[in-house]
Amino acid sequence: EVQLVESGGGLIQPGGSLRLSCAATGFTVSSNYMSWVRQAPGKGLQWVSVFYSGGSSYYADSVKGRFTISRDNSKNTLYLQMNSLSPEDTAVYFCARVVPTSYYAMDVWGQGTTVTVSS
Amino acid sequence: DIQMTQSPSSLSASVGDRVTITCRASQSISSYLNWYQQKPGKAPKLLIYGASSLQSGVPSRFSGSGSGTDFTLTISSLQPEDFATYYCQQSYSIPHFGPGTKVDMK
Repeated sequence: EVQLVESGGGLIQPGGSLRLSCAATGFTVSSNYMSWVRQAPGKGLQWVSVFYSGGSSYYADSVKGRFTISRDNSKNTLYLQMNSLSPEDTAVYFCARVVPTSYYAMDVWGQGTTVTVSS
Repeated sequence: DIQMTQSPSSLSASVGDRVTITCRASQSISSYLNWYQQKPGKAPKLLIYGASSLQSGVPSRFSGSGSGTDFTLTISSLQPEDFATYYCQQSYSIPHFGPGTKVDMK
């Protein structure tokens, strides 16, 4: 079964750091494009970052310079390292598989992990 | 960045109704437009990709149309499980989602 499972969320103080994980089963992370998308409480979806299979990555302006996307091929896992967190980063964070042959749509999503930035 | 708008922001409908949601891009995105359904507390689910292609396993009552800047998601006969929020997303450049359309029960 193709599945993504996120972990690593929690309550963190402003200025702190957190690393989110997204473990994949049923497909290989390194052979796919992978994205992080977040959703603040009561708000819509916001794209955060993408990691292309070739190794390049891109970020939304709101997280550029603070967040880093990476992967561990041996663990078939995608990561999001989040530094200098602010209350505006409070959200549910989803990872998703991006399919280039389907107009770069996100066809598989994890259940999400909640990040709360508060003192 | 290419910005997305959706209308309406919410609508009330009954089971069996035909529902249409529109999405507009701030510049042409060809057919790089995807639609997602999200229910409270759940992850989004891909419905339509490439403006009009139905994702595997999605009921045929869902359809999409459009190209360039104007797009439409249609639910031909609304079912109880379709009450949810619907998002469009452009994938032509840096991805952006529309603000969403909440479909609730009349």
